[in-house]
Amino acid sequence: QTVVTQEPSFSVSPGGTVTLTCALSSGSVSTAYYPSWYQQTPGQAPRTLIYNTNTRSSGVPDRFSGSILGNKAALTITGTQADDESDYYCVLYLGSGSWVFGGGTKLTVL
Amino acid sequence: EVQLVESGGDLVKPGGSLRLACAGSGFTFTNAWMSWVRQVPGKGLEWVGRIKSKTDGGTTDYAAPVKGRFTISRDDSKNTLFLQMSSLNTEDTAVYYCTTGLAVAISVNWGQGTLVTVSS
Repeated sequence: QTVVTQEPSFSVSPGGTVTLTCALSSGSVSTAYYPSWYQQTPGQAPRTLIYNTNTRSSGVPDRFSGSILGNKAALTITGTQADDESDYYCVLYLGSGSWVFGGGTKLTVL
Repeated sequence: EVQLVESGGDLVKPGGSLRLACAGSGFTFTNAWMSWVRQVPGKGLEWVGRIKSKTDGGTTDYAAPVKGRFTISRDDSKNTLFLQMSSLNTEDTAVYYCTTGLAVAISVNWGQGTLVTVSS
């Protein structure tokens, strides 16, 4: 069974840049996996940041960007702000109509 | 503005059934590919399943843990998405989110979710 892996936690300083990644337990992530990224704060519904690798969802600031870095999907946040402190999830299309979420990354801004 | 409002969450006994609904507005529901995503409180997100628009075939796909127990359907005349859940077990306890998507993305817009609790 293919597992989608994210860093469990990450820390970044205010104003800094952070790159979160999304990997497969076997194989490389490419655009054919249509990676998406979501942000979720406690008690709230998730919010879509990026879909189809690098398409920013409506209203999402350009501080958030998506890409493929090496063999992983990546979410880069530049000029990190205090309210970027959230859980971040990726999802990948594994074919045959199946999508799998990563376990999420807890981002701390300190 | 896209709005998705889920309803139907409840406390149900193991082995029971429940139907969730999601009313959509602010977009062309007929053209939308719709998904259900769930989240056990305090845990991560899990894709449940998706239904294509009728013009794209209206077919459904499901995650392995729910296949054969859950059924996604839609009533485009009422801009409403449904999730019929049967043979529920405690592992189905979660907040269930309705989402709009695209062919290349399961979730672009999200509802606020509805809580399903499976417990005796």
